[in-house]
Amino acid sequence: DTGVSQNPRHKITKRGQNVTFRCDPISEHNRLYWYRQTLGQGPEFLTYFQNEAQLEKSRLLSDRFSAERPKGSFSTLEIQRTEQGDSAMYLCASSEGQGDYGYTFGSGTRLTVV
Amino acid sequence: AQSVTQLGSHVSVSEGALVLLRCNYSSSVPPYLFWYVQYPNQGLQLLLKYTSAATLVKGINGFEAEFKKSETSFHLTKPSAHMSDAAEYFCAVSEESGAGSYQLTFGKGTKLSVIP
Repeated sequence: DTGVSQNPRHKITKRGQNVTFRCDPISEHNRLYWYRQTLGQGPEFLTYFQNEAQLEKSRLLSDRFSAERPKGSFSTLEIQRTEQGDSAMYLCASSEGQGDYGYTFGSGTRLTVV
Repeated sequence: AQSVTQLGSHVSVSEGALVLLRCNYSSSVPPYLFWYVQYPNQGLQLLLKYTSAATLVKGINGFEAEFKKSETSFHLTKPSAHMSDAAEYFCAVSEESGAGSYQLTFGKGTKLSVIP
């Protein structure tokens, strides 16, 4: 098991373009989380999946954001019509149980919108 | 909603000196508490966690933290700083989200610098 894998590691895009990030969780973990971390801040919750079901979404997740987890394995996070304010590190995490004992985080995807 | 306050956005210590990073939380129920470390351009690595067992929790890399309910604190310490400890440290509290999971709420982080 190689842990939580995120691709790409870095993404630079022009304002208005769409971007998609991928997360591969630890294989036996059925819960998957997306967090966003802006400069000088701690990570903030975006959304959560249990298997393929998206059970919770933060108010931070505007209509331009969509996340999927088909077949309950890998997950994708898409941002449409990117804005400069979307520049951040997007972190994916997974947990085996309910997450009360913490998550395992990936290395993140750093998005820069120019 | 729970919240986490980390006192000091930047802490500098000399190599070999005591490391003390402060964290206070607000919670209406007994919390689960965590410290994560983040190296530049990396994700977060779990250092240690408190899950209502022993109040003094030992983690990786020689770090430990003590849960003090009366002070609502969970400060992180290490007796002797090493150059490799230079990183950003995040305190987090776990809250049941009501959707079958626990959601982590993080503090803003404390950047630790170690001076040779």
